[in-house]
Amino acid sequence: NAGVTQTPKFQVLKTGQSMTLQCAQDMNHNSMYWYRQDPGMGLRLIYYSASEGTTDKGEVPNGYNVSRLNKREFSLRLESAAPSQTSVYFCASSELPASSYNSPLHFGNGTRLTVT
Amino acid sequence: ELKVEQNPLFLSMQEGKNYTIYCNYSTTSDRLYWYRQDPGKSLESLFVLLSNGAVKQEGRLMASLDTKARLSTLHITAAVHDLSATYFCAVAGPRSGGSNYKLTFGKGTLLTVNP
Repeated sequence: NAGVTQTPKFQVLKTGQSMTLQCAQDMNHNSMYWYRQDPGMGLRLIYYSASEGTTDKGEVPNGYNVSRLNKREFSLRLESAAPSQTSVYFCASSELPASSYNSPLHFGNGTRLTVT
Repeated sequence: ELKVEQNPLFLSMQEGKNYTIYCNYSTTSDRLYWYRQDPGKSLESLFVLLSNGAVKQEGRLMASLDTKARLSTLHITAAVHDLSATYFCAVAGPRSGGSNYKLTFGKGTLLTVNP
């Protein structure tokens, strides 16, 4: 049971390069999320997708774009990487919407991105 | 805008002692979560709290929710070294306005349990 799978695990980019972080879940979850984690900042929401075909901005969307390719996959793209985007990126999924709302986020193992 | 504050941010405990981590949030919410993160690892769900007065326990950890005070606590009983980790609370936005899907995280509490 894979859960939430993120690729790549590690990446180093030069300023101005672009890349796409991939995320796939096999739990038939409706909603998917991208968070970034920086030391002392907790996790901050970049974008989320409440259901297939919809995406919405979170707290820190600038410099990022997302695509909900299908129910399983939600990708995050950096068009022109900047050093401020050096971070650990986590993808997550959830059953929501769900009648009970008793549904935590399930996280992937993260992508450690360094922009030089 | 929903704000979530955890305290303390750093906690060094001796094995066998009890302590409490606090999570305050700024606006009405109907869901609160506690997560654990080991160094270099992903986040693991510990508790989901859905209603005022909810209390959940798993081993040496007990979480509670007071929605009127907008406060959740994570109580650690007789700490052991294996509990060393970073603990996050996360709060869902209100059901109206489409923000219910978003979780806002606190900055985390780094817990170190010393022998």
